[in-house]
Amino acid sequence: DAKTTQPNSMESNEEEPVHLPCNHSTISGTDYIHWYRQLPSQGPEYVIHGLTSNVNNRMASLAIAEDRKSSTLILHRATLRDAAVYYCILRAYSNSGYALNFGKGTSLLVTP
Amino acid sequence: DTAVSQTPKYLVTQMGNDKSIKCEQNLGHDTMYWYKQDSKKFLKIMFSYNNKELIINETVPNRFSPKSPDKAHLNLHINSLELGDSAVYFCASSLISGGPNEQFFGPGTRLTVL
Repeated sequence: DAKTTQPNSMESNEEEPVHLPCNHSTISGTDYIHWYRQLPSQGPEYVIHGLTSNVNNRMASLAIAEDRKSSTLILHRATLRDAAVYYCILRAYSNSGYALNFGKGTSLLVTP
Repeated sequence: DTAVSQTPKYLVTQMGNDKSIKCEQNLGHDTMYWYKQDSKKFLKIMFSYNNKELIINETVPNRFSPKSPDKAHLNLHINSLELGDSAVYFCASSLISGGPNEQFFGPGTRLTVL
């Protein structure tokens, strides 16, 4: 799976939008872009995933660059509960095992 | 109702002991996983089972032996525990073995080997 690069940390004010970037310049055509987050002392939690088109769900939006070499996770209104480590993960489609390779992620701090 | 549960939550033991961690999912998923998160917070896949059959076995010492009595349970047995086994172990499940699909993680088991 291709490598991803994320900032080590970001800070946001509560109730403001947050844009978490992820670079993946060596992404292949079959790689899906996944985002998971891990709140303190909890297991990772799925946020969103996409392939080529932008995606929205109740938690967040995923904006994927046209060349797919980067993507941005958008939290529309950050809350204190969104403080977590956010992981951008690439994984090619597989029909026999879909293990995720977590990198260092971005630690998001949300201040009131 | 907890979707993916693990027991125990904390496990403190001496070097050389044998211990087990249990995982259960009530989501009706076919696929289950074990991940290890070390002190530097990197999460790495260890094993994956699909319908009780091992499908992923990463480079893990053979002191680690997963067992899946049925597709709702995936247990991890560790023999001859070493200091380096200290970590947080997460169980996860997904609907199918292929992807992309959402993985649901348990709360983790913090293993401390003294």
